[in-house]
Amino acid sequence: DAKTTQPPSMDCAEGRAANLPCNHSTISGNEYVYWYRQIHSQGPQYIIHGLKNNETNEMASLIITEDRKSSTLILPHATLRDTAVYYCIVSDMKTSYDKVIFGPGTSLSVIP
Amino acid sequence: KAGVTQTPRYLIKTRGQQVTLSCSPISGHRSVSWYQQTPGQGLQFLFEYFSETQRNKGNFPGRFSGRQFSNSRSEMNVSTLELGDSALYLCASSATGGPGELFFGEGSRLTVL
Repeated sequence: DAKTTQPPSMDCAEGRAANLPCNHSTISGNEYVYWYRQIHSQGPQYIIHGLKNNETNEMASLIITEDRKSSTLILPHATLRDTAVYYCIVSDMKTSYDKVIFGPGTSLSVIP
Repeated sequence: KAGVTQTPRYLIKTRGQQVTLSCSPISGHRSVSWYQQTPGQGLQFLFEYFSETQRNKGNFPGRFSGRQFSNSRSEMNVSTLELGDSALYLCASSATGGPGELFFGEGSRLTVL
């Protein structure tokens, strides 16, 4: 079973911020939160990851709650090209690959 | 820096045939993992190789096999193809050796008729 839960789908107006939530209530202390997205029929693309602190890169921001049981991926100004399935996973360097589970993710639709 | 390259991108086979898919990781990445993606099952882990050794294996039958070469390139093979093997096969490479920041290829879309 996946260690994360995400809403199955979300809509966002073009130009607005898209806030994608993820629950990971059983995360352990050394596990990171990773976000990927997959545009239709392409391979998943790494977006961002974090441990405790909030992180920002050119693609997105990651906000992790203080208790680390949930996080939010923020796309500050969503465009139509951000329409994709977004996956949230947790792992650390010692996690075996078969334990890293990509769940159904959140299908984000950016609407003109 | 070149990304992860998978070949072929598309292929059609018939039941009972076998298929070999290739994956060239990002230069310097020693870990290569393979995944099967179908509409019904999502992204499922097949196996992972590091320095020519299979370290992890997912819950797939023995018809699915793989290997990694000394230059980190990897191949996966599916023998005795079944209709249910139709899927997008993805490989990913990692610089860290662990399932952290994974870089995926575009995938090989296999159709079994």
